[in-house]
Amino acid sequence: QITLKESGPSLVKPTQTLTLTCTFSGFSLTTAAVGVGWIRQPPGKALEWLALIYGDDDKRYSPSLRTRLTVTKDTSNNQVVLTMTNMDPVDTATYYCAHRRERYFDYWGLGTLVTVSS
Amino acid sequence: EIVLTQSPDFQSVTPKEQVTITCRASQSIGSTLHWYQQKPDQSPKLLIKYGSQSISGVPSRFSGSVSGTDFTLTINGLEPEDAATYYCHQSSSLPLTFGGGTKVEIK
Repeated sequence: QITLKESGPSLVKPTQTLTLTCTFSGFSLTTAAVGVGWIRQPPGKALEWLALIYGDDDKRYSPSLRTRLTVTKDTSNNQVVLTMTNMDPVDTATYYCAHRRERYFDYWGLGTLVTVSS
Repeated sequence: EIVLTQSPDFQSVTPKEQVTITCRASQSIGSTLHWYQQKPDQSPKLLIKYGSQSISGVPSRFSGSVSGTDFTLTINGLEPEDAATYYCHQSSSLPLTFGGGTKVEIK
């Protein structure tokens, strides 16, 4: 059974760097066929894709956030880490990680709400 | 970037009625369009993949269809537990994008 869980700070200050960890089980992130994505959702708004990392370490980013995002994987600990620099109040959102099979996300974590405020 | 336009934004429906939600892509995406259901305070759940392919464990009242760049999610016989926001998502090209969502309320 595939599960994912996001963890990280619930509150960050403007200009700080956010680091979120996705800890997963039920699959190995070691082949190009499997990926983990990050998606966020501001309160009351739609979903927005942020980043994607595959088991072969191929990485893709949203062009609008490319300069602020870094995604890495720790295969031995079954984790994927997302860092986002220069946080702003508009980045307040629930951040999800999700398992990517073929070309869709089939399992999602519960999400973690990150508030950006001084 | 491929833009997905969902309609309607909101729909209030009586139980057992049929619900139809449309997602229009700004350019051709083949069948790489997927549907998700998100209930309040929950994460999205995959309902339909590749436009019309069913997902194990999803009730058969949910179905999808494709006509060119227009994709349709149909709920045949709405149940009270179907109250949720529904999103379409394209994976034809990067950046991956989602529609704006359609909120379905039960009358």
